Amino acid sequence: DAGVIQSPRHEVTEMGQEVTLRCKPISGHDYLFWYRQTMMRGLELLIYFNNNVPIDDSGMPEDRFSAKMPNASFSTLKIQPSEPRDSAVYFCASSSHREFSLIGELFFGEGSRLTVL
Amino acid sequence: AQSVTQLDSQVPVFEEAPVELRCNYSSSVSVYLFWYVQYPNQGLQLLLKYLSGSTLVKGINGFEAEFNKSQTSFHLRKPSVHISDTAEYFCAVSPTKAAGNKLTFGGGTRVLVKP
Repeated sequence: DAGVIQSPRHEVTEMGQEVTLRCKPISGHDYLFWYRQTMMRGLELLIYFNNNVPIDDSGMPEDRFSAKMPNASFSTLKIQPSEPRDSAVYFCASSSHREFSLIGELFFGEGSRLTVL
Repeated sequence: AQSVTQLDSQVPVFEEAPVELRCNYSSSVSVYLFWYVQYPNQGLQLLLKYLSGSTLVKGINGFEAEFNKSQTSFHLRKPSVHISDTAEYFCAVSPTKAAGNKLTFGGGTRVLVKP
């Protein structure tokens, strides 16, 4: 299995620009999570989906952030307009809840490092 | 709601010495407990987890953790560390009754193994 695939790995953009981060979860997983990691705030859960439906977006910081999951194999996290304080590493993770033994086992991508100038 | 406190933000340790990383949690409901590891420039990966049964849990790479319900702790230990254990370690909890695998992470502990 290829694991969770994120793109781009690195993005440098200017304030005000739109940023789109992409994620392909592991095939067969029914949960998808978007996390943000910064030195100051650590790991924050932004939003998660179950069977492509957003379940909890309470961690999305502002209306500038939006996430979609149009199908089971693709999700996007969009920031429009971007600001310097959005600079962080954004992780996508997927998991399966179909078996008790898999509970809590999130498979993370390698992250997208965003720098907003 | 749940919260996780990792008492040490950084732990320097010499190679082949033991290490213990402390984790305490707060929750009004019963929880599952996890330790994840993040190597430099990588995503997190699961080290071990406690779902039920024996309170001493063994994970990958020689790590183990013990769940102490009365002290609401889940400390991680390794008897002898290697240089390759240099990483950041995250403790996490998830409510047992919640749908999905929504984890709440602690702030992380950076382990630096010195030769």
